[in-house]
Amino acid sequence: NAGVTQTPKFQVLKTGQSMTLQCAQDMNHEYMSWYRQDPGMGLRLIHYSVGAGITDQGEVPNGYNVSRSTTEDFPLRLLSAAPSQTSVYFCASSPDRGSGGELFFGEGSRLTVL
Amino acid sequence: GNSVTQMEGPVTLSEEAFLTINCTYTATGYPSLFWYVQYPGEGLQLLLKATKADDKGSNKGFEATYRKETTSFHLEKGSVQVSDSAVYFCALSDRAGAGSYQLTFGKGTKLSVIP
Repeated sequence: NAGVTQTPKFQVLKTGQSMTLQCAQDMNHEYMSWYRQDPGMGLRLIHYSVGAGITDQGEVPNGYNVSRSTTEDFPLRLLSAAPSQTSVYFCASSPDRGSGGELFFGEGSRLTVL
Repeated sequence: GNSVTQMEGPVTLSEEAFLTINCTYTATGYPSLFWYVQYPGEGLQLLLKATKADDKGSNKGFEATYRKETTSFHLEKGSVQVSDSAVYFCALSDRAGAGSYQLTFGKGTKLSVIP
């Protein structure tokens, strides 16, 4: 059971570099989302998607881009990394546009921006 | 807007002790309430949920009751084990754009259980 798979698990970037965090799910879920987790801040929603071709902003979208060309994949792009984007990133999915809040999470990607 | 407030951690308990982690919320609508658990090095996973007032969610010996009058959803367990050591997140879900739902999380409470 793969569930939600995130890659890479760890990444170190220099300020100004770009990168993409990959997220794939094999459960045919409509809803996918990206959160960042920072100490003492809980989880904050970056972007979400309710289906292929549909994306929307969450609470903290600045500095991040997303696209949803297939049901399975939802990559998160950092175009010009900043130290403030040092965080642990979680991808999560759910059937039926969120199913009232029941999310399935990946194991996380730890990003450090120097 | 919606918000979730949960007790500050960390919480350290001896094995077989009683656990309570307080959670209160503010919401404009009628949200569903959740407890998620994050074990070390892993992503979050759903522990239990309640979708309407007076519902009780339960799983793995944990319980929480949706109290609309006090806007609370406190997590309890009668006898904790070392394997319960984790970070616990209270969350509420409310409708968002495009017919979807969005979760608002508390800041998390780290629980350590010592033998």
